Amino acid sequence: AQSVTQLGSHVSVSEGALVLLRCNYSSSVPPYLFWYVQYPNQGLQLLLKYTSAATLVKGINGFEAEFKKSETSFHLTKPSAHMSDAAEYFCAVSAAGGYNKLIFGAGTRLAVHP
Amino acid sequence: EAGVAQSPRYKIIEKRQSVAFWCNPISGHATLYWYQQILGQGPKLLIQFQNNGVVDDSQLPKDRFSAERLKGVDSTLKIQPAKLEDSAVYLCASSLGLTDGRYGYTFGSGTRLTVV
Repeated sequence: AQSVTQLGSHVSVSEGALVLLRCNYSSSVPPYLFWYVQYPNQGLQLLLKYTSAATLVKGINGFEAEFKKSETSFHLTKPSAHMSDAAEYFCAVSAAGGYNKLIFGAGTRLAVHP
Repeated sequence: EAGVAQSPRYKIIEKRQSVAFWCNPISGHATLYWYQQILGQGPKLLIQFQNNGVVDDSQLPKDRFSAERLKGVDSTLKIQPAKLEDSAVYLCASSLGLTDGRYGYTFGSGTRLTVV
């Protein structure tokens, strides 16, 4: 079975500061890992994904995440926050070879202040 | 390519009424999912279809929720009768394959249901 824990339901940063959103996963089989972003009143948009190739994954809008098997983590980072990054971010896991069932974390709401 | 289409965007109903949501996936996507997202929580899978067959409906409250995907294309999710705790955003998603999880999903914009 798979599960995801996102540490911190709310994160607040200043514009230009580093963004770090934490995600830890649990999986009995090799996982695929995803970060999605959700803007108000919209669906979820894929930011990036780890599918067992490079452990450092680059996504859209300057975001990246690093898969660390020893720490069972997949934290999302961005060097410099923009006001437009304010949104809710969800980490998700699915099982390689499984039925493509995405399990989501509870989400982290990112606020960006001028 | 066109995205996942959902309607309506918003719906307000009284408890014990019925409601239906519609979803049209991306053309060629065999797998379709319905998720429920309660305010402040992550999305929770309700039901997963492969073509017109159900793969997983273990989290679907079958006493009041039903879903179908006739002809393996668009899908309808119904709630009858609705309860206050059904207030949520209902997200539809589709993906290319059933057994390869590397692609992730494409989500629609969702239907926000408010039960009063």
